[in-house]
Formats: sequence, C-alpha cells, structure tokens
Amino acid sequence: EAAVTQSPRSKVAVTGGKVTLSCHQTNNHDYMYWYRQDTGHGLRLIHYSYVADSTEKGDIPDGYKASRPSQENFSLILELASLSQTAVYFCASSDDREGTETLYFGSGTRLTVL
Amino acid sequence: AQRVTQVQPTGSSQWGEEVTLDCSYETSEYFYRIFWYRQLFSGEMVFLIYQPSFDTQNQRSGRYSVVFQKSFKSISLVISASQPEDSGTYFCALSELSYNQGKLIFGQGTKLSIKP
Repeated sequence: EAAVTQSPRSKVAVTGGKVTLSCHQTNNHDYMYWYRQDTGHGLRLIHYSYVADSTEKGDIPDGYKASRPSQENFSLILELASLSQTAVYFCASSDDREGTETLYFGSGTRLTVL
Repeated sequence: AQRVTQVQPTGSSQWGEEVTLDCSYETSEYFYRIFWYRQLFSGEMVFLIYQPSFDTQNQRSGRYSVVFQKSFKSISLVISASQPEDSGTYFCALSELSYNQGKLIFGQGTKLSIKP
C-alpha cells in the first residue's frame, strides 16, 4: 500500500509569514506533486518533481516554492503567505513503472492564512 | 487548452441503485487518459479507475465502470449497486500524454450522497 504522509495536518499562519508544508513518501516513487484545493473546487497543480534536487512549475506556481532534497521528501514553501493562499494542500506521488499514472495522495494540509 | 467540466455539483441516489456521474473535457491531444478519483469526507483522495483514449473498450473495476464517448469528449462514471459508503466527492481528471506524468487537470467534482 502506497504511503504519503503530510505535515502538519492543519496550520494557521499570519499574512506575510513563512509557511513550510512537508511531504514524505515511502513508496520509492520518483514523481511527487503538490496540488491545491479550494473549497468546492478540484485540485490544481502547483509544483512537481521527477528527481531529487529538481523541481518544476505546475499550473499555478506564483507565490510558492518547492524543494526536493531527497526522493522521499518534497516541501512546499510559502515565503510570504497571503490570504488568497488559504486552501487545502495535497501532496502526491506516482511511479512511472506502474504505467497508469495513478497518483497516491496524502491526507492533505488545511492552511488558513489570517 | 485543457479543461475538465463536471456539471453536476451534487447528486444523490438510493442504496442499491446504479449511479451515473458525468464529465466532459477539452483537449487537442490524441493520446490522453481520463481518471476518476473519490474524495472521502476525511479529505483523502482515492483512485477509482482510468480510461486511456486509445482503448475503445469501456474500462471496468469492481463496481466501477465508465462509459467513454470519445467523439463527444465525454465520459461517465457508473457505480453499480451503490452503497452509503460510496458517498463522497467524485473528481474526473485529464492527463495528456504529451505532458509529463501526473499533471492532471481536475474537474470541479460531484458530491454524491447515497441514502440508505
């Protein structure tokens, strides 16, 4: 069973503060992703990574940075948090070898920026 | 441009009935895949089934199947013998093979309630 764990599960941040969301996977997957979900909407891709020490921009990267220090860990960084970044953030991993592009998701981090 | 649309924001059904959830999409690619995920009330996203564009056969997985109408760029998820545990929000997602793996475009979701 794939395992993707996110921390923290929820966080309250102040506007202008720095926020770091962490993701750890034990699946030995090469691919990791950060998605954002706004209330009543689907998920949108922020950043992704195919290999350690390399990240790529997704569809909505503005205001976010990502870091992939190892195959297992992928972080999302909000240098200057804003009210509009209040959302639920999902990390996911996938394995090219499976050939189905199935994503295994973490349980999400609910971020509230005040 | 890619877009995925789920026009039913909510749906409901009775225990044991068959449920159909609709999804339409826009893509200019020939090769793509359509995925269905269910989001539990806890927030967890669970993979259900996917349909590759090059396969004319509708995919099936347990009580889940799809009705793939490629020419209309439409796909429906069919849940047979629905149960209250099937309640949740269902997302349709598009993946174009010309893009890197895992770059999914999600629809808005359909919140389904199965009544006992």
